[in-house]
Amino acid sequence: ETGVTQTPRHLVMGMTNKKSLKCEQHLGHNAMYWYKQSAKKPLELMFVYNFKEQTENNSVPSRFSPECPNSSHLFLHLHTLQPEDSALYLCASSQTGQGSGYTFGSGTRLTVV
Amino acid sequence: SQQGEEDPQALSIQEGENATMNCSYKTSINNLQWYRQNSGRGLVHLILIRSNEREKHSGRLRVTLDTSKKSSSLLITASRAADTASYFCATVTGANSKLTFGKGITLSVRP
Repeated sequence: ETGVTQTPRHLVMGMTNKKSLKCEQHLGHNAMYWYKQSAKKPLELMFVYNFKEQTENNSVPSRFSPECPNSSHLFLHLHTLQPEDSALYLCASSQTGQGSGYTFGSGTRLTVV
Repeated sequence: SQQGEEDPQALSIQEGENATMNCSYKTSINNLQWYRQNSGRGLVHLILIRSNEREKHSGRLRVTLDTSKKSSSLLITASRAADTASYFCATVTGANSKLTFGKGITLSVRP
């Protein structure tokens, strides 16, 4: 375990469903991130939260809605997704300003049918 | 936008050989990091090298950074079958800690 826990590990949802991905870190980090990883493409940064405030939204469609209630928890709410949204969604955390790396969770493999 | 670009895209070597992977980037950086990803799993941070550093070691890993050429290399010595994975370079630019990744290199180490 890396200290960053993502649930669920796998998710299959229909295009009209509403679901949420959860990420939790117990590392005391102040920043959390959502990344999308699709086949043959670089990891795409979706959202950044710093001290639970959103500091970056990388032109992500509104069908993805993040929520960060505190520095340890991060959610990604999903609504009316498209098949092309099927991907591995990775959560990460870091301590900013210390020049250290990110700690990633194991990801949620999402399939939209 | 993609900052780091790894080379080669895929590498296949025999166990015991050294593996060298390269990364080029476009703009000035604060630091450059290498990550490893086993199939379908999260990324694991391997090593970070700052812009004022030229070389770092960690176990069987050796990373070099040439800021004049905007490039870095990751060397894995005496490779093992368990090193089979995808390897990514990522850069941090500007005042924030935002990481930008390349597409990755697929390393296969044959037993």
